Amino acid sequence: QKEVEQNSGPLSVPEGAIASLNCTYSDRVSQSFFWYRQYSGKSPELIMSIYSNGDKEDGRFTAQLNKASQYVSLLIRDSQPSDSATYLCAVNMGNQFYFGTGTSLTVIP
Amino acid sequence: SQTIHQWPATLVQPVGSPLSLECTVEGTSNPNLYWYRQAAGRGLQLLFYSVGIGQISSEVPQNLSASRPQDRQFILSSKKLLLSDSGFYLCAWSRDALNQPQHFGDGTRLSIL
Repeated sequence: QKEVEQNSGPLSVPEGAIASLNCTYSDRVSQSFFWYRQYSGKSPELIMSIYSNGDKEDGRFTAQLNKASQYVSLLIRDSQPSDSATYLCAVNMGNQFYFGTGTSLTVIP
Repeated sequence: SQTIHQWPATLVQPVGSPLSLECTVEGTSNPNLYWYRQAAGRGLQLLFYSVGIGQISSEVPQNLSASRPQDRQFILSSKKLLLSDSGFYLCAWSRDALNQPQHFGDGTRLSIL
């Protein structure tokens, strides 16, 4: 059974803090990993892709991948109230996409 | 650039009525296409995916069906809607290559009365 697991939250952080979102996956041979942001009532929006071990930075977002431990994380620096959303982790396993159920993030002004 | 269009945005239908949701992609050829359903407060459930015209794979047995009459057109249908069909329906596309992300349309919020 291929799975992608996330802590559903809710995760609350104060404005300006770092939000840390984590995701684990079951298939060791997975090659591609994605983070989506979904605002309430809206569709998921791709915000980060990562394919290699290590960190990938894009603005305030940093994705971290550790294939040996089978986890991928998303750090949001200087969190803003506009970052309040559900964050979905997705992993391509066996050329099929698997989504986690998402972590709800609230940034408190 | 590529865009994905999905309509209608909202739909209210009585139980037992038919359904047709349409999705089209522009700016790319031979995309992989996907239909998902998201129940309120829940994760994404993959319903169907297609790697080419007329090629449909079903992930979940149900009273829904999908068709791909043209390369960039994906249709979700039902002959008779059930109350349990309520939800947020999302169409997505990806490039036909390994390790490509999926990109979502704006979704259709379907309410069954």
